[in-house]
Order: sequence, then C-alpha cells, then structure tokens
Amino acid sequence: EIVMTQSPGTLSVSPGERATLSCRASQSVSTNLAWYQQKLGQAPRLLIYGASTRATGVPDRFSGSGSGTEFTLTISSLQSEDFATYVCQQYKHWPETFGQGTKVEIK
Amino acid sequence: EEQLVESGGGLVQPGGSLRLSCAASGFTFSTYWMSWVRQAPGKGLQWVANIRQDGKELYYADSVRGRFTISRDNANNSLYLQMNTLRAEDSAVYFCARVANSIRDRWGQGTLVTVSS
Repeated sequence: EIVMTQSPGTLSVSPGERATLSCRASQSVSTNLAWYQQKLGQAPRLLIYGASTRATGVPDRFSGSGSGTEFTLTISSLQSEDFATYVCQQYKHWPETFGQGTKVEIK
Repeated sequence: EEQLVESGGGLVQPGGSLRLSCAASGFTFSTYWMSWVRQAPGKGLQWVANIRQDGKELYYADSVRGRFTISRDNANNSLYLQMNTLRAEDSAVYFCARVANSIRDRWGQGTLVTVSS
C-alpha cells in the first residue's frame, strides 16, 4: 500500500499570505494525485486532480505541482474561506490512499 | 445541483449490523462508479469500497472485505453499504463519493457510525 505523507501537520498563515503544502508518496504515483479541501461537518471538495489540474469552479489562487513522489499545493493569497484541512490522495495504485491532511489555520 | 446525501448512521453494538444509504441527485447516477470512504475520529480518510455503474464489479478494502457489502439501485439513484459484524475500529464518518476517472469529484457530507457497547 502506498503511504502518503503530508507536511506540515498544521500551517499557521495570515489572510492574504501564501500557503505551501507538501505531499510525499512512498513510491511513484506519476501524476495520479488529487487534492481535497475538507471543512468540519462538510463534504470534502475536490480541488486538484492530475497533480495540477484545477477542478471545475476552483479559484485560480489554488495550484498544484509535482510528479512521481513529491507534490505541492499552493494557495497564493489565503482568503477566509480557505482555512480548512487539505488532503492529498493517490489513485495510481490499488488501494487508493489518502494523506493525513494539513490543517491551515489563521495566524 | 449535484448532491449526495448519506443516511443510516448511528450507534450499534460490536458484532451488530447497519445499512448506510446515499441518495444521489442532480446528475445521471447510473453512469458513474461510486465509492464509500470513511474517516475515523481524528484520523485520515480511508477508502472502503467501490462499485461499477451496473453493480457487477465490486472492490473492497482488506479491512472490510467479507463483512461489508456495497450495492446500488440505479432506478432510485441510491447507493448502499451493508455493514455486518461491526467492530469498534469501524467507528467513523462514512462518506459516499462519485468516482470519475478514479477521482472522487463529488462527496456527501457523511454519516456517523459509532460501534460501542
């Protein structure tokens, strides 16, 4: 099973600042990597798939990059609604596996 | 609006059973693979099961195989998860999700299952 490791566990950022989140796979997943936003009590929301393609309706302040084992989600200028937990998922290898998440909190 | 709404969660004793439902609306349910994903308190997301559009191809996580059964009713736009022989470690919020090209592009808000005596 592929292990997805996200860092940091918690990221404290001020509104308007840039946030950079990392996700590492225990072996190559090519670009079969998705990012989700999760808020307490709400449905997870797909942000990025294919490592770098924004899902429909996702603001362009969200961007994804990387391939193989190292991936990054960048939020260029944090808005109040962006404070949430972000989870990466690989779908290259069965079973599909998720990271533990990075919580982005207000500094 | 595309929507998935789960129901059926609750408190159940170890060894007991529970059936979760997921009602889909706003999209052509019968054309998508569907999935169940769970999240234990304070833990990450864990894939549970997938089902093909016609219900004839099923996949399960090792931790639930033989105890859980995924099914669907395309006529009623519904997805189900029958959970038997429940254990404490099955306690989690269970999400249903639509699958498009292996990507879960739409999720429900989840239903909480608590296994405890």
